[in-house]
Amino acid sequence: DAGVTQSPTHLIKTRGQQVTLRCSPKSGHDTVSWYQQALGQGPQFIFQYYEEEERQRGNFPDRFSGHQFPNYSSELNVNALLLGDSALYLCASSSNRFGGYTFGSGTRLTVV
Amino acid sequence: GEDVEQSLFLSVREGDSSVINCTYTDSSSTYLYWYKQEPGAGLQLLTYIFSNMDMKQDQRLTVLLNKKDKHLSLRIADTQTGDSAIYFCAESPGGSQGNLIFGKGTKLSVKP
Repeated sequence: DAGVTQSPTHLIKTRGQQVTLRCSPKSGHDTVSWYQQALGQGPQFIFQYYEEEERQRGNFPDRFSGHQFPNYSSELNVNALLLGDSALYLCASSSNRFGGYTFGSGTRLTVV
Repeated sequence: GEDVEQSLFLSVREGDSSVINCTYTDSSSTYLYWYKQEPGAGLQLLTYIFSNMDMKQDQRLTVLLNKKDKHLSLRIADTQTGDSAIYFCAESPGGSQGNLIFGKGTKLSVKP
């Protein structure tokens, strides 16, 4: 049973560019959350998607947007990249019946 | 406000017990979690405790919750070198489907 799959694992972007990160949830899970983990910090909640809609949002600017597809997979988009966006981006999936989040291994984004 | 605090480092000898402490601020948190992160990896859920419990034991792991002081601890018995990792405490004020609020993590080093 595959867990949470994220792609790509690493990428490097230039300031001002746009990036799309992808996440496939664990089988049986219908809720996807995204977190940003800066070096040496704990993960910070970006937003959560359920039934293809953003259900909750953390304190992140509108440059961060997302989408959930009918098969429950999700994308995180970041526009106008800043150096400070460099971080590990983690996707977590859960079942709406109970949380118990399962995390993916993350995408390491470096903005230069 | 919402904040989770942990000590940053803990060093123990192999075979000893490790105790990692955490304080949280939101008394409405109904679920409290412990996650483990190994280098270059995502987060692995170790255990969680409901707010109406004082203690939960799962093999080598024991979680103690003091709601009055908003204090959570994780005890690892017979600590092994493979337990070396960063341990994150997290609270979920919004219930099992709410976003997770993480501490900065405690880096556990186990010396042979």
